[in-house]
Amino acid sequence: DIQMTQSPSSLSASVGDRVTITCRASQGISNYLAWFQQKPGKAPKSLIYAASSLQSGVPSKFSGSGAGTDFTLTISSLQPEDFATYYCQQYNSYPLTFGGGTKVEIK
Amino acid sequence: QVQLVQSGAEVKKTGASVNISCKASGYTFTSYAMHWVRQAPGQRLEWMGWINAGNGDTKYSQNFQGRVTITRDSSARTAYMELSSLRSEDTAVYYCARRHDYGDYWGQGTLVTVSS
Repeated sequence: DIQMTQSPSSLSASVGDRVTITCRASQGISNYLAWFQQKPGKAPKSLIYAASSLQSGVPSKFSGSGAGTDFTLTISSLQPEDFATYYCQQYNSYPLTFGGGTKVEIK
Repeated sequence: QVQLVQSGAEVKKTGASVNISCKASGYTFTSYAMHWVRQAPGQRLEWMGWINAGNGDTKYSQNFQGRVTITRDSSARTAYMELSSLRSEDTAVYYCARRHDYGDYWGQGTLVTVSS
C-alpha cells in the first residue's frame, strides 16, 4: 500500500496568514492526488484534484502543487472558515489511501 | 445540485452485519461510481471499496478481508454497503462519495457503533 505522510500534523495560524501543508507519498503517484477539508462532525469536502486542479466552487485562495512523491496545499490568506483538518489522498493505485491529516487551528 | 443522503445511525452487536444506504440525486446515477470510506474515532480516513453504478462492477480493499459488499439499485438511485462480522474496531463514521478515484461529493456520514 502507498503510505501518505502529512506534515505538520497540526499548526496554529492567524487570520490572514499564508499556510502551507505538505503531503509525501511513499512511492511515485504522478499527479493522482486530491486534497480535502473536514470540519468537526462534517463530511470531507473536496478542494483539489489532480494535484493542482481546483474543484468547482472552491475559492482560489486554495492551491495545490507537486508531482511524483511531494505535494503541497497552500491557503493564501487564512480566514475564520478555513480552520479545519485537511487530508490528502492518493488515487494512483489501490487501495486508495489518505494522509493522517493536518489540523489548522487559530493562534 | 448533487446530493448523497445516507441512512441513519446504527448500533450493532459484535459479529453482526450492518447495511448502509446512500441515495443519490442531482446527477445521472449510472454515470459515476460510488465509493465508501470510513473514519474511526481519531483516525485517518480509510477507503473500503467502490461500485460502478452503471454496470455493477466492484473493487474492494483487501484490508477488510472479504467482509465488505457494495451493491446498487439503479432504479432507486441508491448504493449500499454491507459490512459483516462486525468487531469493536469497526465503530466508525461511514461515508459514501461519488466517483471511483477521489470523492467530489460526499454523503453526510453514518455512525456505526459496535459493542458486545
